[in-house]
Amino acid sequence: AQRVTQPEKLLSVFKGAPVELKCNYSYSGSPELFWYVQYSRQRLQLLLRHISRESIKGFTADLNKGETSFHLKKPFAQEEDSAMYYCALSGRGAGSYQLTFGKGTKLSVIP
Amino acid sequence: DSGVTQTPKHLITATGQRVTLRCSPRSGDLSVYWYQQSLDQGLQFLIQYYNGEERAKGNILERFSAQQFPDLHSELNLSSLELGDSALYFCASSVDGRTGYNEQFFGPGTRLTVL
Repeated sequence: AQRVTQPEKLLSVFKGAPVELKCNYSYSGSPELFWYVQYSRQRLQLLLRHISRESIKGFTADLNKGETSFHLKKPFAQEEDSAMYYCALSGRGAGSYQLTFGKGTKLSVIP
Repeated sequence: DSGVTQTPKHLITATGQRVTLRCSPRSGDLSVYWYQQSLDQGLQFLIQYYNGEERAKGNILERFSAQQFPDLHSELNLSSLELGDSALYFCASSVDGRTGYNEQFFGPGTRLTVL
């Protein structure tokens, strides 16, 4: 069974401090990993996809297959980063690419 | 708005009732996904349709059903409602979703409250 675990429900950091949102997954095969973000009163939107290896809004995430982790990092938090962050995975080769989400981490950046 | 739209925004109903949630995908998207977000279960995949046909089922109860129409809009039908069905129901769409991952674009959700 596939599973995504985000151990922190809430993470509070000061503006300018580094941020790391943890994500661990369980999947037998080669999943695709994503980070989705939901800002206040906005819809869920894709932030990062592990395959693209991009840096979006200063955020990066590296897939560690050995530790089955996909932590989201940013060196200097900004107030506008305050939001709910969801880690998600999608299985490959099953003919359907629905997302399995973690329960989310609420990031609060303190000015 | 060319994004995913969902109606209604809010729905309040009583136990035992039946409701229909509607989703219009982005123009050109053939796949529609339904997700349920509740406090205890988080965001869970319910069902996917591709071009009118059911593609995959997740944790969808037998009391729930969905369909996708020729114009590609989708409806999620929830019947014999229970208090525990109170949740936020999201619809997402993607271009394909069969041969590889395509970015899923989410709608604003419908908040269902069962009293």
